[in-house]
Amino acid sequence: SQTIHQWPATLVQPVGSPLSLECTVEGTSNPNLYWYRQAAGRGLQLLFYSVGIGQISSEVPQNLSASRPQDRQFILSSKKLLLSDSGFYLCAWSWASGSKTQYFGPGTRLLVL
Amino acid sequence: AQSVTQPDIHITVSEGASLELRCNYSYGATPYLFWYVQSPGQGLQLLLKYFSGDTLVQGIKGFEAEFKRSQSSFNLRKPSVHWSDAAEYFCAVGLSGGYNKLIFGAGTRLAVHP
Repeated sequence: SQTIHQWPATLVQPVGSPLSLECTVEGTSNPNLYWYRQAAGRGLQLLFYSVGIGQISSEVPQNLSASRPQDRQFILSSKKLLLSDSGFYLCAWSWASGSKTQYFGPGTRLLVL
Repeated sequence: AQSVTQPDIHITVSEGASLELRCNYSYGATPYLFWYVQSPGQGLQLLLKYFSGDTLVQGIKGFEAEFKRSQSSFNLRKPSVHWSDAAEYFCAVGLSGGYNKLIFGAGTRLAVHP
């Protein structure tokens, strides 16, 4: 079966510091991968998606970037965090074709102070 | 443009009462429809999905949803709510083609009174 991991679970960072959040998927090959942000009391905003190694598409312009160095690894980064980057970050995966179902990880709560 | 509307931001029900969460979508093609549930501080868990066929779909935890094309709706129901059902519920529509993009509604937060 497939599992998806995210770490860290919680992160408190000062404004202006760098960020690296990691997501890994087990039990599947060549998945589509997604990063979402969920601000407090709000819905999900798709930030990035990837259909393969090194292939990243951005949905919204922002202070963040994403990379996919390995087939089942997806990283969300920032060089300098802003207060507005605070939120709950969710990684998800789906099969590359066929089913459109996305399966979500446990999330990372980021607080920028 | 594609969109998903969940008209109720908050709903409170008593334990044992029936539940219906509303979801309306705007999408020109045949939709793929999903309901997810999120407990506080957790990721999203898939409750059920509709791709085609029988318009009444059964999911986990005793939930069901009915696709009504004429009303562009995909409402979630449960005949008897348990206190553990308190969570936030998200409806989503999957777009044809592309990379399996999902459009999410803003969510409905469910509170359950004992």
